[in-house]
Amino acid sequence: LAKTTQPISMDSYEGQEVNITCSHNNIATNDYITWYQQFPSQGPRFIIQGYKTKVTNEVASLFIPADRKSSTLSLPRVSLSDTAVYYCLVGEGRDDKIIFGKGTRLHILP
Amino acid sequence: DTGVSQDPRHKITKRGQNVTFRCDPISEHNRLYWYRQTLGQGPEFLTYFQNEAQLEKSRLLSDRFSAERPKGSFSTLEIQRTEQGDSAMYLCASKRTGQETQYFGPGTRLLVL
Repeated sequence: LAKTTQPISMDSYEGQEVNITCSHNNIATNDYITWYQQFPSQGPRFIIQGYKTKVTNEVASLFIPADRKSSTLSLPRVSLSDTAVYYCLVGEGRDDKIIFGKGTRLHILP
Repeated sequence: DTGVSQDPRHKITKRGQNVTFRCDPISEHNRLYWYRQTLGQGPEFLTYFQNEAQLEKSRLLSDRFSAERPKGSFSTLEIQRTEQGDSAMYLCASKRTGQETQYFGPGTRLLVL
């Protein structure tokens, strides 16, 4: 499973767009990139998954450059309720266990 | 609510006691996973089942830990002779084979005094 590197923490303000970048230099050809969100005292929640280029859903966008060695999770117009830990995962196979890192603690300020 | 449920949500026990946690997955999900999460860390994989078969166990799962999924539906995780280092959040997740993501429950927070 490819190792990922993401910032330990980030601060932003309500209404701003937040971009969290994850590095995964050793990503394999068949690996997908997946992001989970975790609020305090709750289990992680799937946000978005992509393989290449751009993926968008109702919650976020995921930008993946052509070399796939990094990815950027973009949260549009964040609110206080977006304060959470965001995990970047690479290589989650369709049936594999998930290997979590420490994630990025995002703190949204009023 | 048709999500993954876990019971109890909180458990306080004394060192040396046995504890058992239950996970009820989403009904059509044949795969069930257990994770442990300590403060400030991401969840760590413990074990997983496909139907009633336990297919993989992490080396984190010492002999004091045992998990079962007898009928391929709910699962239990038992910790015998608890130690203070067992204090953590125990998370359960489920999915269908081939599904892109796991769905997590709210977790059981264990405190061993």
